[in-house]
Amino acid sequence: GAVVSQHPSWVICKSGTSVKIECRSLDFQATTMFWYRQFPKQSLMLMATSNEGSKATYEQGVEKDKFLINHASLTLSTLTVTSAHPEDSSFYICSGGTSGKGEQYFGPGTRLTVT
Amino acid sequence: SQKIEQNSEALNIQEGKTATLTCNYTNYSPAYLQWYRQDPGRGPVFLLLIRENEKEKRKERLKVTFDTTLKQSLFHITASQPADSATYLCALVGGANNLFFGTGTRLTVIP
Repeated sequence: GAVVSQHPSWVICKSGTSVKIECRSLDFQATTMFWYRQFPKQSLMLMATSNEGSKATYEQGVEKDKFLINHASLTLSTLTVTSAHPEDSSFYICSGGTSGKGEQYFGPGTRLTVT
Repeated sequence: SQKIEQNSEALNIQEGKTATLTCNYTNYSPAYLQWYRQDPGRGPVFLLLIRENEKEKRKERLKVTFDTTLKQSLFHITASQPADSATYLCALVGGANNLFFGTGTRLTVIP
């Protein structure tokens, strides 16, 4: 149980274009979803926290107009990287949590490369 | 802001030995702390959660301790196997149930 999927698993896009990454909880309802970014040989950095039906809460230094998060249902959240630049190339990972429980269930990640 | 350090970037041990990983934190008093395993190119997988009022937690070959006075957690893998080779991350739980991860320790178990 507690499976989270991400799509796509990898994507290459040109600088200036937008990319959408989907995160789905397959067998549970995620009241809260989290988006992380991980650069090579570094740990996961939390980007934003989103609750279903609410606006996402972004961590300091993360541009909310650049990284658009939508959490329209208890099983789906999307992250759209707008006007992507090469420095946005990274491994993006989502996770889902249920209210009252601390553990999170992570997706397999999406490798984004901006050329 | 909170700072989380895992003091070994990499740790090599012989198969069958006990691996001990350390997580230290400052500027925070988490209600609980978690340990995750991450394989290359994959998302983290939850292993154990320990609450501030718990000194120790066990799950099969895994053991976690939590010392809120020292602001430290230790993660042990007993009878280690090559399949245990991975990066292990500790994480503190924030007020909104969000996680703040340590830098990770890359464990290699040598056959």
